[in-house]
Amino acid sequence: EIVMTQSPATLSVSPGERATLSCRASQSVSSNLAWYQQKPGQAPRLLIYGASTRATGIPARFSGSGSGTEFTLTISSLQSEDFAVYYCQQYNNWPHTFGRGTKLEIK
Amino acid sequence: QLQLQESGPGLVKPSETLSLTCIVSGGSISSSSYYWGWIRQSPGKGLEWIGSIYYSGSTFYNPSLKSRVTISVDTSKNQFSLTLSSVTAADTAMYYCVRQGLAARRFFDYWGQGTLVTVSS
Repeated sequence: EIVMTQSPATLSVSPGERATLSCRASQSVSSNLAWYQQKPGQAPRLLIYGASTRATGIPARFSGSGSGTEFTLTISSLQSEDFAVYYCQQYNNWPHTFGRGTKLEIK
Repeated sequence: QLQLQESGPGLVKPSETLSLTCIVSGGSISSSSYYWGWIRQSPGKGLEWIGSIYYSGSTFYNPSLKSRVTISVDTSKNQFSLTLSSVTAADTAMYYCVRQGLAARRFFDYWGQGTLVTVSS
């Protein structure tokens, strides 16, 4: 199965600043990569699919890039509601696999 | 607005079978555009895709669980179900039902709120 590795495990950023989260696949997943946001006590929410397409209702400050094995989620100007855990997930191959997450915390 | 709601026992004894149901509202489970699946989350293993089913009954399972998992669909009730046999403490997790697209859209765009299942005697 494809292993998804996210870094860093924890990222401390001040509100208003930019956050850059990384995700690496153990083999190419083309652009079949999604990002999810999870807040405490809630289910994950789809943010990005196709590596760079925002899901319905997702603010423009969220952007995704990359293809193959290296991917990035960027949040351009952090709002208070953005502090959460972020997961990447590949859907190029079965079984679909997730990274272990990056916790974005307030600095 | 599509909604998914999990239901089932919150406590299962070791070696027994876990059974959960997901009721879909605000949309048809018989849509030809989607799979319907189960994902679990535990502190030890993180997010783990369990399996998915098409309305016709075609299934895809995670090989790590395939020998113990069955996912079924009931289009008349607009719901689908998960059974996991011979459970152990390692199966303790939050279980989510999800909607999944097809082909190049096999991401999970709708999630239920989740149901916590604890395996303990």
